Amino acid sequence: TQLLEQSPQFLSIQEGENLTVYCNSSSVFSSLQWYRQEPGEGPVLLVTVVTGGEVKKLKRLTFQFGDARKDSSLHITAAQPGDTGLYLCAGARISGTYKYIFGTGTRLKVLA
Amino acid sequence: DARVTQTPRHKVTEMGQEVTMRCQPILGHNTVFWYRQTMMQGLELLAYFRNRAPLDDSGMPKDRFSAEMPDATLATLKIQPSEPRDSAVYFCASGLVRMNTGELFFGEGSRLTVL
Repeated sequence: TQLLEQSPQFLSIQEGENLTVYCNSSSVFSSLQWYRQEPGEGPVLLVTVVTGGEVKKLKRLTFQFGDARKDSSLHITAAQPGDTGLYLCAGARISGTYKYIFGTGTRLKVLA
Repeated sequence: DARVTQTPRHKVTEMGQEVTMRCQPILGHNTVFWYRQTMMQGLELLAYFRNRAPLDDSGMPKDRFSAEMPDATLATLKIQPSEPRDSAVYFCASGLVRMNTGELFFGEGSRLTVL
């Protein structure tokens, strides 16, 4: 059972377009993170959101944590080829201690 | 730059052989995770340690996998005997996890192929 579902799984867009990636769960998370992974490397943290309803901006990337802390979205404005990669959300669950569960991933390709 | 170091980067072995993957976490981090990544399943949590103590290994096939952290500078993941379905990229990540958050730093992964 996958706790964190991401959509879409794959996305191929032209440079300059906008896109939104969704991360959904039926579980509540104490915090949620977004990572980007490039081929042959491990994921690298982009942002952490902690409070329900929280919005964070990182240049052209906007992250939002759902009010109920069950879902999140990543919006990219004017996508560039350098945004190409695998985007992963990760939720921190309280189960005695905190463990990080990763979403199914969204593979983004931005064409020049 | 502090980084998580994993060895080997690549391993090809035959079914039934023992495989040991090693990870050197970032000094000062209190939590170490082992993940397995495949195209079909994505990133699956196998096991994790807090202050070297194993906290959860429920994601790991217990009959063949074992994870240990003999000291603060070394975490190991062992598969014995290995099977073709174990073929994947295995990632180690460490972090300074406090309260409800903490950034995870990943190694470059160990790509395992079991023939």
